[in-house]
Amino acid sequence: GENVEQHPSTLSVQEGDSAVIKCTYSDSASNYFPWYKQELGKGSQLIIDIRSNVGEKKDQRIAVTLNKTAKHFSLHITETQPEDSAVYFCAARRGGADGLTFGKGTHLIIQP
Amino acid sequence: EAQVTQNPRYLITVTGKKLTVTCSQNMNHEYMSWYRQDPGLGLRQIYYSMNVEVTDKGDVPEGYKVSRKEKRNFPLILESPSPNQTSLYFCASGALTPLHFGNGTRLTVT
Repeated sequence: GENVEQHPSTLSVQEGDSAVIKCTYSDSASNYFPWYKQELGKGSQLIIDIRSNVGEKKDQRIAVTLNKTAKHFSLHITETQPEDSAVYFCAARRGGADGLTFGKGTHLIIQP
Repeated sequence: EAQVTQNPRYLITVTGKKLTVTCSQNMNHEYMSWYRQDPGLGLRQIYYSMNVEVTDKGDVPEGYKVSRKEKRNFPLILESPSPNQTSLYFCASGALTPLHFGNGTRLTVT
């Protein structure tokens, strides 16, 4: 089955700086890669996703890049703000009836 | 408003005492699933359901049961809870569309 590795497990950055979280996946048939943000006491929410026919996608301060050859994808957050502090999960899915396989999560801490 | 509602939010119980965590969605999704979240292990799928009366095991199904008698509800049942099932549980709804998560149930089994 699919295996998703996520790094780092904890990331602390100064407010205003950029943050990058990286994931690798094992199944070359995976074609959908979402990122979820989990705030304290809440369920995870989708913040951005990318499909395998695209190399990069951007939404305001958030961007995701995908390298299919290397089987890795990354989340980039620019100009970080206190409300970006949360746990972030990457995931991968092959499509069809397959479910998502999640990474272990990254706790992002924004230092004032 | 699109919602996935799970109850209770917090539950403390003793080993062997049967419990049910309820999950309900209002988006008419066919696909629903349950995850547990543990430190250092991330989100792991317990069971999923493709539609009414169709359920299947995820990655960590041992010790759990589910049922899907109607589309909106997908309860998670622990017939005989054990301390290793102490965890944070999330219900989710949706498949091809983005997953919508409930706010979680923190279960402690003593």
